[in-house]
Amino acid sequence: ELKVEQNPLFLSMQEGKNYTIYCNYSTTSDRLYWYRQDPGKSLESLFVLLSNGAVKQEGRLMASLDTKARLSTLHITAAVHDLSATYFCAVDENYNTDKLIFGTGTRLQVFP
Amino acid sequence: NAGVTQTPKFRILKIGQSMTLQCAQDMNHNYMYWYRQDPGMGLKLIYYSVGAGITDKGEVPNGYNVSRSTTEDFPLRLELAAPSQTSVYFCASSSTGGTEAFFGQGTRLTVV
Repeated sequence: ELKVEQNPLFLSMQEGKNYTIYCNYSTTSDRLYWYRQDPGKSLESLFVLLSNGAVKQEGRLMASLDTKARLSTLHITAAVHDLSATYFCAVDENYNTDKLIFGTGTRLQVFP
Repeated sequence: NAGVTQTPKFRILKIGQSMTLQCAQDMNHNYMYWYRQDPGMGLKLIYYSVGAGITDKGEVPNGYNVSRSTTEDFPLRLELAAPSQTSVYFCASSSTGGTEAFFGQGTRLTVV
């Protein structure tokens, strides 16, 4: 059974600082997704990572995937308040179904 | 573009009542999913479908049923509501493997 773990669960960081969120998963997969959720809202897709070594960047966020280590990272550069949200990683359990198993989420709060 | 539409947005049920949560997508996606999100938690997969007439259980299927008679619609049925089913329910769809899933706005269900 696929398990997906994120850490930290909560992250309070100052504007302008850098930090990394980690996503570990328990079985072989080369499809990993990052989503953002604002309070009381739905989920918004951030990144789709489909191979070992994949790296994608959008603004102050950069995601990477190491399938051998079963690890993905979401790096935040020079955080701003607008990045405050909950971030989820999700792993494709089965290659043919896009059956996504979600991590527990990382709640990020950026303060001045 | 409507995307993924869920109805209703909010609902209060009494224990033992039944209801159907509606989900429709207009993107001609083959894959559709139902997730539940308990307060402060990640998403748990209830049921998913890879095409019309095909459904399969996810992580937490007990107490729920689904059908997929058309590509567009994927209703979720609760037969005998229980307080443990109080949650926010999200429907999602994706086109093929390795692509992002699009989420509806959610249905907030309370069982009292």
